[in-house]
Amino acid sequence: NAGVMQNPRHLVRRRGQEARLRCSPMKGHSHVYWYRQLPEEGLKFMVYLQKENIIDESGMPKERFSAEFPKEGPSILRIQQVVRGDSAAYFCASSPWPGSYEQYFGPGTRLTVT
Amino acid sequence: TQLLEQSPQFLSIQEGENLTVYCNSSSVFSSLQWYRQEPGEGPVLLVTVVTGGEVKKLKRLTFQFGDARKDSSLHITAAQPGDTGLYLCAGDEGVGFQKLVFGTGTRLLVSP
Repeated sequence: NAGVMQNPRHLVRRRGQEARLRCSPMKGHSHVYWYRQLPEEGLKFMVYLQKENIIDESGMPKERFSAEFPKEGPSILRIQQVVRGDSAAYFCASSPWPGSYEQYFGPGTRLTVT
Repeated sequence: TQLLEQSPQFLSIQEGENLTVYCNSSSVFSSLQWYRQEPGEGPVLLVTVVTGGEVKKLKRLTFQFGDARKDSSLHITAAQPGDTGLYLCAGDEGVGFQKLVFGTGTRLLVSP
């Protein structure tokens, strides 16, 4: 009964390095959402992807952030040249179809930029 | 951007007490969900309400969606220490896929 898996759970990067966060959706789910939770703030939508397609990236910062969900393998959230303000918990969620009322969240990746 | 405000932000009560958490917006949502999040973990879906005026019960938890689909409430009867956690409401903007707007959260502490 594998749920949404994210790795790594904790990631420490120095300013200027790249961070790669991985998300494997639940079995049978082909829709992935990424959210960011800044310290003392709520969860904010970043991007919605289907296999090989970015459907909505309206919540993604314009620079340094990118996401992909290849035909094979996990979804990747990539942050280039990280800055201290990128320190946050990043969650992915998956659903079986776009209109599903249920999103299942992974445990998150906690990124710390030093 | 639609906003969801939750109240209260913090709630500390004794075991056995009842409580209500509110989730309010000036915007209409196509559906609304309630999640509970434990420290260091991702949110866990508790319930989804879809129809205005809908009431759903999950053991000691009662969820209501406002008639106008702009607000919701979560009522817990006879709270237990295991209910401690961060409660989040999330509204679906209804843009063709489930684009969730999360509330500010209510942190509940239930003491024995």
